[in-house]
Amino acid sequence: DAKTTQPPSMDCAEGRAANLPCNHSTISGNEYVYWYRQIHSQGPQYIIHGLKNNETNEMASLIITEDRKSSTLILPHATLRDTAVYYCIVRVPGNQFYFGTGTSLTVIP
Amino acid sequence: EAGVAQSPRYKIIEKRQSVAFWCNPISGHATLYWYQQILGQGPKLLIQFQNNGVVDDSQLPKDRFSAERLKGVDSTLKIQPAKLEDSAVYLCASSLGLPQGAWGEQYFGPGTRLTVT
Repeated sequence: DAKTTQPPSMDCAEGRAANLPCNHSTISGNEYVYWYRQIHSQGPQYIIHGLKNNETNEMASLIITEDRKSSTLILPHATLRDTAVYYCIVRVPGNQFYFGTGTSLTVIP
Repeated sequence: EAGVAQSPRYKIIEKRQSVAFWCNPISGHATLYWYQQILGQGPKLLIQFQNNGVVDDSQLPKDRFSAERLKGVDSTLKIQPAKLEDSAVYLCASSLGLPQGAWGEQYFGPGTRLTVT
């Protein structure tokens, strides 16, 4: 079962930063936080993952709180192509990915 | 690099008929996954292969679903007989084999949309 809580939907203005929150208050010490997104009619796409340090790649930044009970995915300059469902997943490496229902992000022109 | 290929993209069948889906993973990826995604829900893992062996099929309805990966590359997922509740998108994904693949991402195909009438 999914061990994360995400808002069902969010809007963001094009060009602004999109901040997607995720609550994972029961995360254990060896579980990583992963983010995937799914654009309509496509398969999910990996974005980023982290354990406790903040991470950044060419797509996004991942901010994990010090107690690791929550995290935020940041898309620094949202574009219309970032409209998608975003999934936050906690997982022990090697175990299953449990996808919840995610956050549906709509980027508004 | 070429991505995960799936066919067909769409399939409409009547209940009690059988159907098969095909997946070709990214070259060199030892681990292959089949997921079921019902409308409005996240993907749910059905079965995971490591090379041609099954790692996890705990959520596969074995009375009607079967999957194989005979040569450790391509895979086929079959449903026989189909029920109305099998209407969903069937996603195939692949990743590097363990242990490297445990840490990183899975690469997903575009999926097959199945409608059972």
